[in-house]
Amino acid sequence: DVKVTQSSRYLVKRTGEKVFLECVQDMDHENMFWYRQDPGLGLRLIYFSYDVKMKEKGDIPEGYSVSREKKERFSLILESASTNQTSMYLCADRDRFTGELFFGEGSRLTVL
Amino acid sequence: AQKVTQAQTEISVVEKEDVTLDCVYETRDTTYYLFWYKQPPSGELVFLIRRNSFDEQNEISGRYSWNFQKSTSSFNFTITASQVVDSAVYFCALILMNTGFQKLVFGTGTRLLVSP
Repeated sequence: DVKVTQSSRYLVKRTGEKVFLECVQDMDHENMFWYRQDPGLGLRLIYFSYDVKMKEKGDIPEGYSVSREKKERFSLILESASTNQTSMYLCADRDRFTGELFFGEGSRLTVL
Repeated sequence: AQKVTQAQTEISVVEKEDVTLDCVYETRDTTYYLFWYKQPPSGELVFLIRRNSFDEQNEISGRYSWNFQKSTSSFNFTITASQVVDSAVYFCALILMNTGFQKLVFGTGTRLLVSP
């Protein structure tokens, strides 16, 4: 089974703190994604990576950065967390032959 | 631009009722995949089905069935004899296959509540 693991299920941070959300996959997939999920807005793409050290902005990249130093790991970074970044963050990787996305369990971030 | 619309924000049914979740998509491309994902309260999105644009055959998997109609750009999902365990948020999604990077576009989701 494909496994996508997100390091933290629940985080509480203060405004201005630097936040790291880690995601690890075990299927050697090139493509990895970070989505944000908010009520009424569905899933919105923050950043994606199509290979090591490669990254592309998604639909809502402002306030975020990413790091992909190894194929299996894709990190989302909030340089200075703000209250409007309180959300559920979902990491996924993709089978490039079928297009299917495999998701982690999500990280619910609260910024106070 | 591509777009997926799930007009039903929330649906409530009683166990054993049949329920249909609507999905309407927009794209000018002819080569694409459509997906349904289920998100139970635990949070993880679970893959349910993938359908490519050249295959309009309806599909049935147990209590689940999908009706793909290109003429109306719809990919609706029906649960027959719903159960409490079906309570979840369901997402429809679209991916274009002939683009350099195959971005998946999600609808806003439909929350299904099945009560005993």
